Amino acid sequence: DGGITQSPKYLFRKEGQNVTLSCEQNLNHDAMYWYRQDPGQGLRLIYYSQIVNDFQKGDIAEGYSVSREKKESFPLTVTSAQKNPTAFYLCASSIVGQPYEQYFGPGTRLTVT
Amino acid sequence: GQNIDQPTEMTATEGAIVQINCTYQTSGFNGLFWYQQHAGEAPTFLSYNVLDGLEEKGRFSSFLSRSKGYSYLLLKELQMKDSASYLCAVRDNDRGSTLGRLYFGRGTQLTVWP
Repeated sequence: DGGITQSPKYLFRKEGQNVTLSCEQNLNHDAMYWYRQDPGQGLRLIYYSQIVNDFQKGDIAEGYSVSREKKESFPLTVTSAQKNPTAFYLCASSIVGQPYEQYFGPGTRLTVT
Repeated sequence: GQNIDQPTEMTATEGAIVQINCTYQTSGFNGLFWYQQHAGEAPTFLSYNVLDGLEEKGRFSSFLSRSKGYSYLLLKELQMKDSASYLCAVRDNDRGSTLGRLYFGRGTQLTVWP
C-alpha cells in the first residue's frame, strides 16, 4: 500500500532541545514538502525539495532544517532557534508535473514546554 | 505575492447544498485545488481546476473563473461526515518555478447539523 508515513503522531519536548520529525514515502514521488499548521491558520510552507540532495526554503524556514539524502525520506529538524515550535506538522509529496496534487502524511503534533 | 481568501466558518443542515467560495490573487496562476481536512488529520484531495468551468465529482463540484480570480466548492446532499475544514490552495508559477508549490487559504470550517 503506497503512502506517506510520519512518526510519531504526538511528540513532546522541552524548550531548548532540537527535535527531528520523520517523513517517509513509497509513492516514488520526486517532490516533498513540510508544512506547519496553527489553529485558525492555513498551511504554511517550511521547506520543499524537488530532488535528492536539493531543497529550498519556503515561507517560514527560520529555526528549521531539512535533509534529502534519499528519495523516500525528508526529515525535518525543529531547532531551539524556532521561537514558537508548538504546532501540527504535515509532510506531503507529489510528482513534479501536472496536476501537482500533493499527498499528505497523517501529521505530527509537536508540543514544546 | 499571493492572497487567498475564503470564509472562516459556515453551517448547513443535513441534506442541504452548500457553496464555499475562494478568491485569489496570484502572479502566475497554474491551478487551484480543494482539500478536505478533518480535525487532527491530514488534508485529503477533493478537486483540481486549471481551466475555467465546472468539474463534477459525485456530491462535490468545483468551479473556476480565472478572469475573476474566483472558485467555489459545491457540496450537495450534505452528510454529517462532511463536517470538516475545506482548504482552497493555488499553484502559483511565480519566478518560473517548475515545482507545484501550493499557497493555501486559511480554510473554511463547515459544520453540518442534523
